[in-house]
Amino acid sequence: DIQLTQSPSFLSASVGDRVTITCRASQGISSYLAWSQQKPGKAPKLLIYSASTLQSGVPSRFSGSGSGTQFTLTISSLQPEDFATYFCHQRDSYPITFGQGTRLEIK
Amino acid sequence: EVQLVESGGALVQPGGSLRLSCAASGFTFSDHYMDWVRQAPGKGLEWVGRTRNKANSYTTEYAASVKGRFTISRDDSKNSLYLQMNSLKSEDTAVYFCVRVTLTNYYFDYWGQGTLVTVPS
Repeated sequence: DIQLTQSPSFLSASVGDRVTITCRASQGISSYLAWSQQKPGKAPKLLIYSASTLQSGVPSRFSGSGSGTQFTLTISSLQPEDFATYFCHQRDSYPITFGQGTRLEIK
Repeated sequence: EVQLVESGGALVQPGGSLRLSCAASGFTFSDHYMDWVRQAPGKGLEWVGRTRNKANSYTTEYAASVKGRFTISRDDSKNSLYLQMNSLKSEDTAVYFCVRVTLTNYYFDYWGQGTLVTVPS
């Protein structure tokens, strides 16, 4: 199974900050990685797919990059509604696997 | 508007069975692969399995942890997805999400709110 390791697991930041979250795969997955956002009690929301393609309707302050084993999600200027948990998932091979999540909280 | 609404979650004793349902609306259900993903309390997400569409013979994939115990099925005439869970264990305790897979690229783009299954130890 492909393991996805996110870092950091917890991040404290302020409105307006630029933040970066990393997802590292245990083996190469080309660009078959997505990022999603989950708020408590809500359904997850797809932000980025194919490592760097912004999902329709997602603000442009979100961006993704990387390929192979190292991927990043960047939020260029944090907004109050961005405080949530972010997770990556890979669809390169079965079983589909997820990162453990990064909880982004207001400083 | 795409909607996925799960139902059927309950408290069930170890070794018991349960069937979850997911009612889909707002899109052409029959075109999409559909997945189940679960999240144990306070834990991360775990993929459970997938059913492909009719064009791909409704074939399925499962996580090793549920293979042989869980069965995913669908009824395109009812826009519904199902998860039959047998021989339940305490480690199956989780919120179960119904998830739509994008037509191209095969990522998870819409999720339901989830339904809680509790199997006491």
